[in-house]
Amino acid sequence: AQSVTQLDSQVPVFEEAPVELRCNYSSSVSVYLFWYVQYPNQGLQLLLKYLSGSTLVKGINGFEAEFNKSQTSFHLRKPSVHISDTAEYFCAVSPAGTYKYIFGTGTRLKVLA
Amino acid sequence: DAGVIQSPRHEVTEMGQEVTLRCKPISGHDYLFWYRQTMMRGLELLIYFNNNVPIDDSGMPEDRFSAKMPNASFSTLKIQPSEPRDSAVYFCASRRAGGANTEAFFGQGTRLTVV
Repeated sequence: AQSVTQLDSQVPVFEEAPVELRCNYSSSVSVYLFWYVQYPNQGLQLLLKYLSGSTLVKGINGFEAEFNKSQTSFHLRKPSVHISDTAEYFCAVSPAGTYKYIFGTGTRLKVLA
Repeated sequence: DAGVIQSPRHEVTEMGQEVTLRCKPISGHDYLFWYRQTMMRGLELLIYFNNNVPIDDSGMPEDRFSAKMPNASFSTLKIQPSEPRDSAVYFCASRRAGGANTEAFFGQGTRLTVV
């Protein structure tokens, strides 16, 4: 079985400050890793994904994430956030050989002026 | 393509009534997923289909929930009878086959309120 843990339910941060949203996972099989973002009253859209290769992955809107196999983590970072980054962020795993996603409970990022 | 289309966007119903949520996936996508989002449990996978065939329905909470995909362009999620604890946002997503490199595209969701 697989599970995803997002330890922070809410993260307030001032505009132009850096942010890190944490994600840890557990799985008995190989997984692929994803971050999705959900803006208010909308569906989810893909920010970035890790499939293989370089452990540092760059996504849209200036976000990046680093895969750490030994710590089973996939933390999301942005060096300087904008008001428009206010949204809910979901970490997800997809077990190899399946097409389903298993999501964490989400982290609500609130960027303050 | 218009993306994944869900209807209705909002549904308010009384306890005990039947509720049907609808989804039109992106044309050409082989996989269709139904998720439920609540504050307490986050995003839960209810069921997913491959080429219209249910692959994994282990997330369907009870027999009151059923899902069908009669053809490649349409799926329904039915709750009968509905209960207040079914209140949530239900998302449909679709994904093309082709390995891990494909991404899932989500609809805008149906907000269900059972009173």
